[in-house]
Order: sequence, then structure tokens, then C-alpha cells
Amino acid sequence: DTGVSQNPRHKITKRGQNVTFRCDPISEHNRLYWYRQTLGQGPEFLTYFQNEAQLEKSRLLSDRFSAERPKGSFSTLEIQRTEQGDSAMYLCASSPIGNTEAFFGQGTRLTVV
Amino acid sequence: DAKTTQPTSMDCAEGRAANLPCNHSTISGNEYVYWYRQIHSQGPQYIIHGLKNNETNEMASLIITEDRKSSTLILPHATLRDTAVYYCIVRVGSGNTPLVFGKGTRLSVIA
Repeated sequence: DTGVSQNPRHKITKRGQNVTFRCDPISEHNRLYWYRQTLGQGPEFLTYFQNEAQLEKSRLLSDRFSAERPKGSFSTLEIQRTEQGDSAMYLCASSPIGNTEAFFGQGTRLTVV
Repeated sequence: DAKTTQPTSMDCAEGRAANLPCNHSTISGNEYVYWYRQIHSQGPQYIIHGLKNNETNEMASLIITEDRKSSTLILPHATLRDTAVYYCIVRVGSGNTPLVFGKGTRLSVIA
């Protein structure tokens, strides 16, 4: 297993366009997390899944953001009508259930112009 | 919000021990202390975690005070590749909550 995979690694989009990111977690990891990170800040939690169920969403996740994990394997994060403030690194992590470490992907860097 | 307080930045000479402090005075009895680090342009990487006993692995040692209100991450022989932002996080032991990151400590290892 090569770890958590995120695609694309970089995305440049025009303001107002929709974008979708994909995360492939480590096989058999039940939990999958999405974070957003801006320059000089630590990662901010957005949402997480246990299998296909979305268990928690941060208030940061506006109605323009939606995340899915349809079969409990890969996940997608979609941002509709992007704004310049959405420019950030979007990180995905996965873990087994329980008190254990989470493994992060390399992230998708979004630039909204 | 993060429940930990860390210095903004620290320097360490290459080959010396790096001691990174963290205050978590409001930690609950069922919360663990986790440490992650983030090297520039990469995702965070797990280092170590513990409840109340000191822990050691191949990367680092974690020293937790008896009252559990603070802890220290020790990198015994820092190298240039240890230059990163180090995050101290408290998290419920069941793992049912996400990791909440603060701003961390930027460690610069100097040759």
C-alpha cells in the first residue's frame, strides 16, 4: 500500500467555477478526514466519514462544500462557485477505528484566480 | 479550538537534542497527547502519542508530567531533516473525534 493518495496535486481555477478533489485512503481504513490549510496556519478540520457515513461537519464547511464517500472507500470533496478565499491546501487523512494514528496524504493545492 | 499552547518557533543545533514543550492544562482524564509534524509542502506525519506514561519510539520520546498538564517531545539527535512544524494535540482516547491542530512550533535545525 502506498499510503493516502490525493488527486490532483495542484488545481488552478477561475472564481465561480466548481472543483472536485479525490482522496483514496489506505485500504481497510474505516475513517477518512478532510482538512483545509492556509499559509502559516495548522490544518483546519472540515469533515469526516466512518465508512460511508459522514459523522461530523465543521462550521467551516459552508453550503458550497460537499463531501461524499459513496462506497466507504475513496472520497470526493466538491467546492461549488469557488471564491478566492477557498485558495488553500486540502488535506485528506485516513485511520482505522480507535485510538490510533491518522495517515495524511500530500494534499491538493487549490488556487482560485 | 486547539486545547494546547506551544511556542511559535525554536532553533536547535544539528546533532543536539530538540526539546519541544506543550501546555495542555485543561486536558481531561480520557484525552491522549498526540504529536505530529509537517515538513514543508507535505501532509502532517504522526510521531508519537501517550496518555500518562512516558513513551519512546524510533522517532522520538514523549515525556508527560505527572499532573498531565504539560508534555515535552524530545528528538534525541536532531538532523536538518527534522526541520518542520511540530503540532501537539489532545484527543479523546476512543479516537471518535478528529484531530484539532493549533499553529504548532516551527523547529529550525541549524548546521
